[in-house]
Amino acid sequence: EIVLTQSPGTLSLSPGERATLSCRASQSVTSTYVAWYQQKPGQGPRLLIYGAVNRATGIPDRFSGSGSGTDFTLTISRLDPEDFAVYFCQHFGSTPGLTFGGGTKVEIK
Amino acid sequence: QLQLQESGSRLLRPSQTLSLTCAVSGGSISSGAYSWSWIRQPPGKGLEWIGYIYHSGYIYHSGNNYYNPSLKSRVTMSEDRARNHFSLKLTSVTAADTAMYYCARVDGDGGWVDYWGQGTLVTVSS
Repeated sequence: EIVLTQSPGTLSLSPGERATLSCRASQSVTSTYVAWYQQKPGQGPRLLIYGAVNRATGIPDRFSGSGSGTDFTLTISRLDPEDFAVYFCQHFGSTPGLTFGGGTKVEIK
Repeated sequence: QLQLQESGSRLLRPSQTLSLTCAVSGGSISSGAYSWSWIRQPPGKGLEWIGYIYHSGYIYHSGNNYYNPSLKSRVTMSEDRARNHFSLKLTSVTAADTAMYYCARVDGDGGWVDYWGQGTLVTVSS
């Protein structure tokens, strides 16, 4: 079973700064099956990145994904006030199916 | 635009059975390109995949349903193609099953979740 570990747990930054979020898999995974989501309070998650590097429809280009093997990164180049939220990574595999990381909260400093 | 809407029991006693339905509009659950999933999130915590109903296109699994092994003994998912909805039953609930329950569409190629319902909070309390 693959475990996804996200770090840091909380990231305190100011609007305009760069955010770098990490997702580490317990074993090497195929990047095709890695995705990132944003969740704001009281809302369901929203797909940001799929296949590790592809932005979903309507996602601003300040969001980018990278990585391979066991280490994946979500980067927000310049934080907009609407970007302060919780971010989850996710992997799709044969066991158990969909696995999510524990999340990183990006909060206003 | 695809939309998913959860409905069902929201307050349960321990040992009862949770029953939720997800009504899908703007697309058909019969499409072979996607699978249909339930995902839950306990208050203030992370996301947990419950299971999905899939159609042709997945290479990893056999059979029509696939469940999280940690919940498999208590979970049943079904679909009603005529009504374009799918359902979740979770038996013998406890307080640990208190969570926001989301229904969702899962891409058949890469396994990402591209559409989510708004979620429904299910509370288990004596």
